[in-house]
Amino acid sequence: GAGVSQSPSNKVTEKGKDVELRCDPISGHTALYWYRQSLGQGLEFLIYFQGNSAPDKSGLPSDRFSAERTGESVSTLTIQRTQQEDSAVYLCASSPGTGGELFFGEGSRLTVL
Amino acid sequence: DQQVKQNSPSLSVQEGRISILNCDYTNSMFDYFLWYKKYPAEGPTFLISISSIKDKNEDGRFTVFLNKSAKHLSLHIVPSQPGDSAVYFCAAKVGSNYKLTFGKGTLLTVNP
Repeated sequence: GAGVSQSPSNKVTEKGKDVELRCDPISGHTALYWYRQSLGQGLEFLIYFQGNSAPDKSGLPSDRFSAERTGESVSTLTIQRTQQEDSAVYLCASSPGTGGELFFGEGSRLTVL
Repeated sequence: DQQVKQNSPSLSVQEGRISILNCDYTNSMFDYFLWYKKYPAEGPTFLISISSIKDKNEDGRFTVFLNKSAKHLSLHIVPSQPGDSAVYFCAAKVGSNYKLTFGKGTLLTVNP
């Protein structure tokens, strides 16, 4: 499809395990964002990639969280030693450039038992 | 510190009537505001936006009003349709900055 693709759509894991979430942005979109939505909360900014510039990691909640993106393609968000408070929907979005409209994927629902 | 607040978690209206969703913000640097709509199990989709140089923007059944002095914006949907039932997120940003700050969302239910 032509939209932002995320996988897995659902992930259930045990506390302490590592998880990796994947985002495939819209082709040609240089900007990529990760947000998360915890229960009853708004969308919380995590990280932003723009082309080959250094990413803005200011929203990552702890050093257990990391993300990578190779060029203008796929991004992975990795959560190490997951905790129950990490349970949320992780949303990826891409946009044609800085400040442009965001196109969101369907999200990856993470449940940490 | 919630910089964008949507104080009504839910709203229920009758089909054909007006839906008014409200949003308040605290950061006076915000100068561009957006509304996103989210259906269950889908990502948010852009609905309508407004720049701080305007006080109203209209797109079909959707109108966004901005009151800068009150740091308040609202989304009006007229007439409301059952297919409008979704969670609506208000978002704001500063200039051409890439970072959007979102509210917690309001669940709109339009009853047939």
